[in-house]
Amino acid sequence: DAKTTQPPSMDCAEGRAANLPCNHSTISGNEYVYWYRQIHSQGPQYIIHGLKNNETNEMASLIITEDRKSSTLILPHATLRDTAVYYCIRQIQGAQKLVFGQGTRLTINP
Amino acid sequence: ETGVTQTPRHLVMGMTNKKSLKCEQHLGHNAMYWYKQSAKKPLELMFVYSLEERVENNSVPSRFSPECPNSSHLFLHLHTLQPEDSALYLCASSQVYGASYEQYFGPGTRLTVT
Repeated sequence: DAKTTQPPSMDCAEGRAANLPCNHSTISGNEYVYWYRQIHSQGPQYIIHGLKNNETNEMASLIITEDRKSSTLILPHATLRDTAVYYCIRQIQGAQKLVFGQGTRLTINP
Repeated sequence: ETGVTQTPRHLVMGMTNKKSLKCEQHLGHNAMYWYKQSAKKPLELMFVYSLEERVENNSVPSRFSPECPNSSHLFLHLHTLQPEDSALYLCASSQVYGASYEQYFGPGTRLTVT
C-alpha cells in the first residue's frame, strides 16, 4: 500500500513548468515526502524531499500544503529529458523501506 | 552515473541454471537493497541489508538468495527460477545514519527466464 495518490499520467509542453500533484492525506507527523523519478528502463533517481517547509534544489521545487495532506513537485522549465514516471513516497526519516506506487507518467512534448 | 553499478546488465537463463547478480556502491553507504520491477507493476522491495545484516525479507521465495559480504557489495544468487521471475532487478544503497536517507539506484539487471 503506497498510501499516496497521484494522477496516472500528465502532459506538459517543453519549456513550461510541470506541476505534479500528490495526495497523502493520512501522512503522519514523522513522515517525510520523497520524490523519485524513473526514466524508461533505468533505475529510479532521487529528486527531492521535505517535511513541512517548501524545498528547492537544482532539479525541482517541492511545495507542501500547510496541513501536509498534499504536495506538488515543480519542474520549473521542463525538457524532453524530464519525460519519466514520477513517484511520490511517504517515508519515516531513517526508515529503510520505500513503498513505490504506480506514480505519474509525465510526458514532455516538443 | 549514480555511484551504484550492477552486473550483468542483461541476463538470459534457463529454469535449471544458477546465476548471480552483482551490485557495488562507491558512495560510502551502509545500507543496500534489492528491488524487483515486473512489467507494469510497481517496484517491490525484496531485501534490505543494514550494516551488513539482513533486516528485511519481504516474503521472497527461497530461489532468491541475497548475500552482502561487506557494505560496498551485494549479490543476488538465483537458482531454479520460473518464467514469472523475469523482471528488472534493481539494487540501491543509502545511509543508515546522518542527515539524508535517500536511496541511490543502479541501472538494473534485465533478467529473462526461459
